[in-house]
Amino acid sequence: GESVGLHLPTLSVQEGDNSIINCAYSNSASDYFIWYKQESGKGPQFIIDIRSNMDKRQGQRVTVLLNKTVKHLSLQIAATQPGDSAVYFCAENYYNNAGNMLTFGGGTRLMVKP
Amino acid sequence: NAGVTQTPKFRILKIGQSMTLQCTQDMNHNYMYWYRQDPGMGLKLIYYSVGAGITDKGEVPNGYNVSRSTTEDFPLRLELAAPSQTSVYFCASTRTGTGELFFGEGSRLTVL
Repeated sequence: GESVGLHLPTLSVQEGDNSIINCAYSNSASDYFIWYKQESGKGPQFIIDIRSNMDKRQGQRVTVLLNKTVKHLSLQIAATQPGDSAVYFCAENYYNNAGNMLTFGGGTRLMVKP
Repeated sequence: NAGVTQTPKFRILKIGQSMTLQCTQDMNHNYMYWYRQDPGMGLKLIYYSVGAGITDKGEVPNGYNVSRSTTEDFPLRLELAAPSQTSVYFCASTRTGTGELFFGEGSRLTVL
């Protein structure tokens, strides 16, 4: 589920199944990670976040897993519904001379088949 | 709260024309950002501001300018529009620079 250039990778799942969307981040100094959902024609919306001192965080139907050893982040959606169809972005936050910088990954398109 | 409001939602420009994309937020957020999103791609940071009177370049600032005279407003200016600037532009804000970014609905710009 990582960005591979010009075309968004797509994950197609059956309604009711679980979805796993993956993301590789680049900066080992990143201390905070966020998943966003973007529906067609709309701005991204916050789903769930996790700090670097955690390896798992759960929300309502969503779980984020963080593996700092391999700089990998995943978003798990339980019992996927048609309303979950969207593009999902991970973002990493780190500090530089200018302050906090939030950098987005390339995104993964989730398609839910009824 | 209206959140983050962007205008216009759609605009078609001719090559060489200028325009300003407006962004305003009513959440008293210090940090504001402009991103562009090309078709099928992720978000790229154009400019950001950590408070009124302070702006800085992001990843893709060429061809754009910004100002931040008030906490609420963060307009993005295109001086000489080029086809490469055809994109969807998103404004976002956050209180402290970490945490949830609040996005506007986007401004779709086409340069012909």
